[in-house]
Amino acid sequence: EAQVTQNPRYLITVTGKKLTVTCSQNMNHEYMSWYRQDPGLGLRQIYYSMNVEVTDKGDVPEGYKVSRKEKRNFPLILESPSPNQTSLYFCASSLGQVADTQYFGPGTRLTVL
Amino acid sequence: GQSLEQPSEVTAVEGAIVQINCTYQTSGFYGLSWYQQHDGGAPTFLSYNALDGLEETGRFSSFLSRSDSYGYLLLQELQMKDSASYFCAVRDSNSGYALNFGKGTSLLVTP
Repeated sequence: EAQVTQNPRYLITVTGKKLTVTCSQNMNHEYMSWYRQDPGLGLRQIYYSMNVEVTDKGDVPEGYKVSRKEKRNFPLILESPSPNQTSLYFCASSLGQVADTQYFGPGTRLTVL
Repeated sequence: GQSLEQPSEVTAVEGAIVQINCTYQTSGFYGLSWYQQHDGGAPTFLSYNALDGLEETGRFSSFLSRSDSYGYLLLQELQMKDSASYFCAVRDSNSGYALNFGKGTSLLVTP
């Protein structure tokens, strides 16, 4: 089944404790991205990657890192999480940079205390 | 910069037709997409318009007018399961073709 998976689905952590949210897709997509969703603000792009070893900042990259060492994986790293990073995070992938359809993962609900 | 405007909430009756409008301002418009999201779920793709006109997919249609920087999503024969949030999103060639989302329209379908 074609899908985007994220882990963990739920995470409660404390300020400053490094964490990684994994994202994997099995559709051989080149383009992957991370979004955060907050009430009243819609989906905002954090980082995106056009292919292996090619990443770039989205609208709200501060406090986040990403890497794209393999085509299928695009982890999101929070080196020192803060409470304002409490949010619902979605990973997404698409065939190419301008493909009309993005496929979203199930989401990761992160709470930083 | 860019911005997208869509109504925050819409209510409609089961079986009716509802139109959700989206206006946008962007310097490098490449296409307008629509996504549906049920509470707590992942957004799912509904429709995409790169050219002016109407695209129809079953009960859902989407329209684009690039000259007016305007589009809409039309939902026909509304069903209770259509209660969800609907997001318009613009792809902008001036920002790496990133997909920029509006804040979403919450649609409530009532019996």
